[in-house]
Amino acid sequence: GENVEQHPSTLSVQEGDSAVIKCTYSDSASNYFPWYKQELGKGPQLIIDIRSNVGEKKDQRIAVTLNKTAKHFSLHITETQPEDSAVYFCAASEANTPLVFGKGTRLSVIA
Amino acid sequence: ETGVTQTPRHLVMGMTNKKSLKCEQHLGHNAMYWYKQSAKKPLELMFVYSLEERVENNSVPSRFSPECPNSSHLFLHLHTLQPEDSALYLCASSQGQGTYEQYFGPGTRLTVT
Repeated sequence: GENVEQHPSTLSVQEGDSAVIKCTYSDSASNYFPWYKQELGKGPQLIIDIRSNVGEKKDQRIAVTLNKTAKHFSLHITETQPEDSAVYFCAASEANTPLVFGKGTRLSVIA
Repeated sequence: ETGVTQTPRHLVMGMTNKKSLKCEQHLGHNAMYWYKQSAKKPLELMFVYSLEERVENNSVPSRFSPECPNSSHLFLHLHTLQPEDSALYLCASSQGQGTYEQYFGPGTRLTVT
C-alpha cells in the first residue's frame, strides 16, 4: 500500500519568510496530492491540491510542486503571516482508494 | 463551518461505559470516514463508508463499531474502551473515494478514564 513520509515535523520561520514542507510517496499509481491545514480546535481543511498531470499549482501565497519521477511533492508558503501557524498534512491517493496522510508538520510563524 | 458536524465535542467515559459519537454531513456526499488523531499517529484512518456500505476497516479493534444508517449520518459506537483509546476522533465526508476533497468535522475529544 501507499506510504507517505513528511518532513520536517516542526518548522519555525520569521514572519515574512518562506516555509517549505516536503513529502515523498511510495506508490507510483497515486495521482492526487492534497495539502490540509489544521488549526487548533478544528479539523483539517484543504488548502491546495495537485493532480499528476501538472507539475506546479499556485494560489496566492501558497504553491505546490510535484515531481512524479522522484515521487515527491512540496508545499511552499511565501510571505508567511502569524495566521499561517498550524499543522500541515500532505496526502496521496488514487481513484477509489482512501487518502494516505503524512504525519504532519507543525509550522510556527514568529512575529 | 465545513458542513460536517460532530457531537459531542468532548466526552469522558469510563472503561466499562458504552457511548456513541455522531457525525452528520450536509453536503450531499457519498463517502464518510472516521479517523483517530493522537500524538503517535496524527491521522489514522479507521473506517470508510461509500454509499452506506463499509469499504475499508483498517484492523480496528472490535470495541469500536461503526454504523452508517444513511449517506448523511455516521456513528461510532464505543464500548469497553482502554485508556490508550483517548484521542481526537474526526469524521470526514467526500463526494467520492480517493481523488476528492475531504471535508472534516471539528472532532470529538475522547478521554477514557
